[in-house]
Amino acid sequence: EIVLTQSPGTLSLSPGERATLSCRASQRFTSKFLAWYQQKPGQAPRLLIYGAAGRVTGIPDRFSGSGSGTDFTLTISRLEPEDFAVYYCQQYESSPLTFGPGTRVDF
Amino acid sequence: EEQLVESGGDLVQPGGSLRLSCAASGFTFSSYAMNWVRQAPGKGLEWVSVISDSGDSSYYGDSVKGRFTISRDNSKNTLHLQMNSLRAEDTAVYFCARTPRRMVGVLGDFDSWGQGTLVTVSS
Repeated sequence: EIVLTQSPGTLSLSPGERATLSCRASQRFTSKFLAWYQQKPGQAPRLLIYGAAGRVTGIPDRFSGSGSGTDFTLTISRLEPEDFAVYYCQQYESSPLTFGPGTRVDF
Repeated sequence: EEQLVESGGDLVQPGGSLRLSCAASGFTFSSYAMNWVRQAPGKGLEWVSVISDSGDSSYYGDSVKGRFTISRDNSKNTLHLQMNSLRAEDTAVYFCARTPRRMVGVLGDFDSWGQGTLVTVSS
């Protein structure tokens, strides 16, 4: 099973600042099958990034993904008030599919 | 508009059974692999199971293997999860989620989600 570790656990920032979220895998990926989701309280997760760097249609370009191997990053270039949420990474390199524990981005 | 609507969540005693359903609309259900993902109260996300578009193959997470069964009825655009031998640790919101068509196999990310249905296992 691929274990994903996310850091930091909580990121305290202000609107307009840059957020850098990390996701590290316990095994090296042969693919780039890594996704990022945003979840707000009481809502379902929303897919932001797939294939490590592919932005979903309709997602603002302030969200970007990068990385390969074991280290992946989600960057939010300039935080908007609606971006304060929990972010999860997820691997689909192999079964079982697994998620990281999440990074909370708050004020 | 693409939509996934879960139902069937309830309070059930440990050892009991429950069947969840997910009604799909707004897209060609039979062309997509479908998943169940759960989230315990205040916790992170856990993938539960996936079923292929035709229903002929399925996979499970280790924590539910042998107790849960995923199925689908493409004629009714509905996904199901039969949950047996329920435990307190199965308490969670259960989401149905779609695997994108860009994925060749059943494993993938999740590009569309329902709002979830709450299962509570308690005596």
